[in-house]
Amino acid sequence: SYELTQPPSVSVSPGQTASITCSGDKLGDKYACWYQQKPGQSPVLVIYQDNKRPSGIPGRFSGSNSGNTATLTISGTQAMDEADYYCQAWDSSIGVFGTGTKVTVL
Amino acid sequence: QVRLVESGGGVVQPGRSLRLSCAASGFTFSSYAMHWVRQAPGKGLEWVAVIWYDGSDKYYADSVKGRFTISRDNSKNTLYLQMNSLRAEDTAVYYCARGDGSSGYWYLVLWGQGSLVTVSS
Repeated sequence: SYELTQPPSVSVSPGQTASITCSGDKLGDKYACWYQQKPGQSPVLVIYQDNKRPSGIPGRFSGSNSGNTATLTISGTQAMDEADYYCQAWDSSIGVFGTGTKVTVL
Repeated sequence: QVRLVESGGGVVQPGRSLRLSCAASGFTFSSYAMHWVRQAPGKGLEWVAVIWYDGSDKYYADSVKGRFTISRDNSKNTLYLQMNSLRAEDTAVYYCARGDGSSGYWYLVLWGQGSLVTVSS
């Protein structure tokens, strides 16, 4: 079955840039999405179709996807961005979530 | 107001069954594929199942295939997840989510608040 691997944790200082990677076989041939989840809350879509932002998502969130790696970048990270982040892709209509990355804003 | 509201969760013994419901409002339910996603306590997200907008096609995660059935009633704007032969490892918060975009390339913009299912004797 298809798998997506993320680093367990990323630490970033306020105002700096956080990059979260998501690795999967030929992931660049698929569309990647990214979800943010804060404790006790439902997930929120922050990036879809590799690099598109849904309405209401700040411009500091951006995405890319090429080769075997998709990347979520948070520029000018704010304290409110501290959360778990999950990448996600589809493999023949079967959903696959990444292992998740906890972003800590120090 | 555009929203999804899950119900039907609770405590159930191993081997028993439970049916979750997800009531949709504020949008044309019959135009969207719908998904179930779950999250075990302290763990990551796990996709469970999808049903096409008209119910014509369904796909399942290997972990639930043959035990869980996704269905929908477009006349009632409601999505269901019938869970049979429940196991301890099915304990999780179950979310329903709307699938936007093209079939097989969805993105999940709208999520419910989740319904906790606990499988324990």
